[in-house]
Amino acid sequence: AQSVTQLGSHVSVSEGALVLLRCNYSSSVPPYLFWYVQYPNQGLQLLLKYTSAATLVKVINGFEAEFKKSETSFHLTKPSAHMSDAAEYFCAVSASNQFYFGTGTSLTVNP
Amino acid sequence: SQTIHQWPATLVQPVGSPLSLECTVEGTSNPNLYWYRQAAGRGLQLLFYSVGIGQISSEVPQNLSASRPQDRQFILSSKKLLLSDSGFYLCAWSVLAGGYGYTFGSGTRLTVV
Repeated sequence: AQSVTQLGSHVSVSEGALVLLRCNYSSSVPPYLFWYVQYPNQGLQLLLKYTSAATLVKVINGFEAEFKKSETSFHLTKPSAHMSDAAEYFCAVSASNQFYFGTGTSLTVNP
Repeated sequence: SQTIHQWPATLVQPVGSPLSLECTVEGTSNPNLYWYRQAAGRGLQLLFYSVGIGQISSEVPQNLSASRPQDRQFILSSKKLLLSDSGFYLCAWSVLAGGYGYTFGSGTRLTVV
């Protein structure tokens, strides 16, 4: 069985500070891992995904996530937060054709 | 390219009225289709999923039902809405292979008054 745990339902950072959103998973088989972002009153958008290629996944807006098998983690980071990063972030795991979302982390960026 | 359309974007309905939310997918065949609900301040709750026409699986017992009359059309319905049905409803599609993830529609904000 698979599951996803996002530690911290709310994270608040100052603009320019490091963003760290935690995600741990459990899976009995090699998983695919995803981060989705949701802006207010919008659907979820795929931010990045790990599909057994490079363990460090980066996207052009500065976010990255590293798959650490030994820690069963896929934490999302960004070196410098921007006001536009304020949103809800969901981690998800897919394995054996089952898909599970974490409960989400709301990111607030303070000026 | 694949796209997913969901409407309406917002809806205000009185208690006891019926509901019909529609979701259509373009650019793919035989997708897996899903309805999720987000209640205020809570995570995603899977309501229904479908792996083919006429095939509906319900994850939680509730006041809602789903139908898939065509390959790329997924409808969420209710005969009589309850206050507790208020929330943000999301449609999504995926292919069977897990590495592709889900693609979500833009959501419907339903307020039952």
